[in-house]
Amino acid sequence: DQQVKQNSPSLSVQEGRISILNCDYTNSMFDYFLWYKKYPAEGPTFLISISSIKDKNEDGRFTVFLNKSAKHLSLHIVPSQPGDSAVYFCAASDGGSEKLVFGKGTKLTVNP
Amino acid sequence: KAGVTQTPRYLIKTRGQQVTLSCSPISGHRSVSWYQQTPGQGLQFLFEYFSETQRNKGNFPGRFSGRQFSNSRSEMNVSTLELGDSALYLCASSAMTGNTEAFFGQGTRLTVV
Repeated sequence: DQQVKQNSPSLSVQEGRISILNCDYTNSMFDYFLWYKKYPAEGPTFLISISSIKDKNEDGRFTVFLNKSAKHLSLHIVPSQPGDSAVYFCAASDGGSEKLVFGKGTKLTVNP
Repeated sequence: KAGVTQTPRYLIKTRGQQVTLSCSPISGHRSVSWYQQTPGQGLQFLFEYFSETQRNKGNFPGRFSGRQFSNSRSEMNVSTLELGDSALYLCASSAMTGNTEAFFGQGTRLTVV
């Protein structure tokens, strides 16, 4: 049973435009969410996180939105840059533990 | 501040052998978690250690084990290797346990032949 789902395997956007990556979860016990960026054969790089007590968190070009009632979160990247091209993973935890449950990832391609 | 260091980066082992992977967390971090990444299953949680105690364990067979030392460094061991154990093994370091950012190392690429 996949508790964290990223339904779009890939996304392609033009440089300078907005990239929106989506993530859905099923476990209502999840209360902390993270986004990671990953290149092949490397470890994931932490981007941004959000606690369930918030509905938005911003860090530079990255903003994460959380809709608890819909069990949905999204990562907005504005403006998108070619260097943002990578696989993006959504992850969730249920507090009290560092066990992260990951989605399968979305491959973002930003075209110059 | 140095990041998470995993050694070795690459490893080739034969079926039936055992392997030990090492992880040095970010200085001051006390929680270390291990993950396995494969093309079919994605990133899957193996176990978490905090202050030398295993706090959480994923759904992996007993051939997968780990430990954490008093300096927070951690090792994971896989015994009786199978071809399906070929994967990228990732270590993540956190300052505390629960609702904190986890920072990953570069991983160890294990190939079982």
